[in-house]
Amino acid sequence: QVQLQESGPGLVKPSGTLSLTCAVSGGSISSSNWWSWVRQPPGKGLEWIGEIYHSGSTNYNPSLKSRVTMSVDKSKNQFSLKLSSVTAADTAVYYCARDPEWGQGTLVTVSS
Amino acid sequence: QSALTQPASVSGSPGQSITISCTGTSSDVGDYNYVSWYQQYPGKAPKLMIYEVSNRPSGVPDRFSGSKSGNTASLTISGLQAEDEADYYCGSYTSSSTWVFGGGTKLTVL
Repeated sequence: QVQLQESGPGLVKPSGTLSLTCAVSGGSISSSNWWSWVRQPPGKGLEWIGEIYHSGSTNYNPSLKSRVTMSVDKSKNQFSLKLSSVTAADTAVYYCARDPEWGQGTLVTVSS
Repeated sequence: QSALTQPASVSGSPGQSITISCTGTSSDVGDYNYVSWYQQYPGKAPKLMIYEVSNRPSGVPDRFSGSKSGNTASLTISGLQAEDEADYYCGSYTSSSTWVFGGGTKLTVL
């Protein structure tokens, strides 16, 4: 069974870039699936950030598209998220997912 | 894209059935049979309960069922149990090749 694990800094300064990686184990990232990022601000609902195919094709949430970049590293069997020009509104638990598997989530706080 | 519309809360007694609605538009729920439902406990990752409107992943009790009519999808939980108390989210594929979630529904088992 595929397992996902997010990693990255838990604290990012305003105007900086949030960078997270999702390590995939128990399966190949090159399988025929889209790999997603979802976030959840404290006490609020889920927000879809975007998805990436193993070929590198991407789809992004229109509201975040100008600030989001996703990539795949097949050699490391992982995929990544970068979100630029962050503000306090980007503070959230960030999940990587490929239904039905989800990572445990990682809290990223934007603060100086 | 606008979030799908879910009731903020629903409640029911053990053994009863409840239904959570998820209303979208003809550009998402109404146009695709790619509606999913997730269960989330506090501090935990969401768990997929229903995919493609009415399919249950392995291990999900058959008390959980999904359906769709027009622009509205529904999750029904029959034989309500205390362990079903959680937040539930719907999600749908959209005509923009993106996904959108509902605002979430808090289920309380009385």
